[in-house]
Parts: sequence; C-alpha cells; structure tokens
Amino acid sequence: QVQLVQSGAEVKKPGASVKVSCKASGYTFTGYYMHWVRQAPGQGLEWMGRINPNSGGTNYAQKFQGRVTMTRDTSISTAYMELSRLRSDDTAVYYCARDHPVAGTSLFDYWGQGTLVTVSS
Amino acid sequence: SYVLTQPPSVSVAPGQTARITCGGNNIGSKSVHWYQQKPGQAPVLVVYDDSDRPSGIPERFSGSNSGNTATLTISRVEAGDEADYYCQVWDSSSDHQVFGGGTKLTVL
Repeated sequence: QVQLVQSGAEVKKPGASVKVSCKASGYTFTGYYMHWVRQAPGQGLEWMGRINPNSGGTNYAQKFQGRVTMTRDTSISTAYMELSRLRSDDTAVYYCARDHPVAGTSLFDYWGQGTLVTVSS
Repeated sequence: SYVLTQPPSVSVAPGQTARITCGGNNIGSKSVHWYQQKPGQAPVLVVYDDSDRPSGIPERFSGSNSGNTATLTISRVEAGDEADYYCQVWDSSSDHQVFGGGTKLTVL
C-alpha cells in the first residue's frame, strides 16, 4: 500500500533553514510528482510547489520562490523540502502529497502525516 | 492568480443535506477536487474530477460543477462528517495548484 512517511517535528530560530523529508513506499517513486502543502495553525491549506522525482524538475508557488528548494533521492525514494530564511509566520504543518494525474488536471491522492515546523526565538 | 472562494462555515442537522460551495471565475471549465480534513489529521480526498468518488468514500458524498460555482453535497449527514472541507483545482495557465480557503462543517 502507498505510504508517505515524513520526518519529525522541528523547532528553528528565525533566519534559519529547515529540511523536511518524505519517504515513499508502495509504488514507483519516479512515476508520480510529489507536492508540498503547508497549513499554518488554524488556517487553510497552501500549496508550496512540486517536484518531478524522475527528472528533478520543480515548479514553485510564487510566494516561496527564492526561499524553497525541493529535491529528491531516488535511491531511497525520498523527497525533500527545504525552506530558508525562516520567519515566525512559517510556523505550520508541512505535508507532502502524491500527485495523481487525471486527464486535464491533477490532484493529491496520498498524503504524508505532516511535519510541524515551529519558528521561534 | 486563480482564486477559489468558500464560505467559512456551514451548519446542518444530522440526517439532512449539506452543500458546500466553491466559487471561481468560470470554474465550470476546470476539474474540481474536494478534501476532508479532521482535526489533527492529513486531508483525505473525497471527490475528484467534479463528481467522482475514490474507493472507500460513501455514496453520500457527491459533487457538481457549473458556471462559476462547484458544490460538494453530503447527503444524510452524520456526526462523523464534521470536518473542514477544501476545494482544489489545477490552474493550467501557471501549472500551479490552488486551494479554496476551506469550510468548517458543523453537525448540529
């Protein structure tokens, strides 16, 4: 069965960077895009970007351009999301989510359990 | 960028029908997907491509999409349906994903 298992909670100081991992199993890792979505406390879902695990190609939301880097290691079926120059409003739960392509659209069919990143001085 | 608008909250009595809307410019030309999120849990896909259900999702969940409004309909609402619901589309012009702001469904 498809599983996405994320790394544990992190506490960071403002200005630091955080790198969250997402280990995939139960399917061919390189066959599906991987997205990253975050959710600030009490707020809605916010798409950050996605990576093509096969090519390494990325597409980031404009809001995060220049601060986010998505990478992958195909040898261990793991995707990574690194966010730099952290601010207090980056405090959120970060999710990885597998892309499920349907003709003319895309959606998220499997999600990781989420990783809480807390930014505090 | 493309914007999706949802009502912040919807309330319904058990056994009744809940309708949650998602507004967007000519959203009827896009495929809309809906997610259910319960407190402390990751979202779960409940309707995709406007009106299709993933396996394991009850038939009580259905969707429609036309003009400037997509709608998630939950029939015979149960206490366990109380959750936040999000609509989502893929904006082909930017190749970006877009979420609505979310709707909290309260079962009275």
